Amino acid sequence: QSPLTQPPSVSGAPGQRVTISCAGTRSNIGAGNDVHWYQHVPGTAPKLLIYSNSNWPSGVPDRFSGSKSGASASLVITGLQAEDEADYYCQSYDISLSAYVFGTGTKVTVL
Amino acid sequence: EVQLVESGGGLVQPGRSLRLSCTVTGFIFEDYAMHWVRQAPGTGLEWVSGISWNSGKTASADPVKGRFTISRDNAKSTLYLQMDSLRTEDTAFYFCVKDRSAYLMIFGSWFDSWGQGTLVTVSP
Repeated sequence: QSPLTQPPSVSGAPGQRVTISCAGTRSNIGAGNDVHWYQHVPGTAPKLLIYSNSNWPSGVPDRFSGSKSGASASLVITGLQAEDEADYYCQSYDISLSAYVFGTGTKVTVL
Repeated sequence: EVQLVESGGGLVQPGRSLRLSCTVTGFIFEDYAMHWVRQAPGTGLEWVSGISWNSGKTASADPVKGRFTISRDNAKSTLYLQMDSLRTEDTAFYFCVKDRSAYLMIFGSWFDSWGQGTLVTVSP
């Protein structure tokens, strides 16, 4: 029941580009709140990938990029690598729920 | 190196209580807000509770309001989650998470460090 909707899965061959969408509403992304992205390999600690829509934390390669427009956001992975196989989540703040909210999650598979 | 280590998870019956702890190293604990985020089996991430740097403000998600209490001891660099009246739907991995800000409910805030999680199983 997350207010942020992502595709359940995306896949691509090594070297290809994949895009993960994150659709929000006027209560969260559409309200002007920033979007952040996390990478999670099951069994490990989730990792911050992108903050404030399009910024990289130290150590994150620039083949990960983020953008935001209106009530939605996107994460693009260019030059897909085997180690990019993971679950990816967008996150924002919802003013109606007064809560931090995560997207439904997208599993990235490298073919 | 920033490290967040959760403990206290386990198997518990519905209606009982459990307290999770998170001990941190590698940053000045009292300078940051902290949170608990959970992931139930086969589902995505869900924010549970948050607390400001000085415990002046706390907040919780609707599913746990009135049952879970977040607290912190800055002298011990430790975060807690007291979970009462547990339900089967509370079964999940619980992650201890560091905010990038000292304050809670900053609309643009994000979570910049995570622990590996501790498993809570609520079952008869």
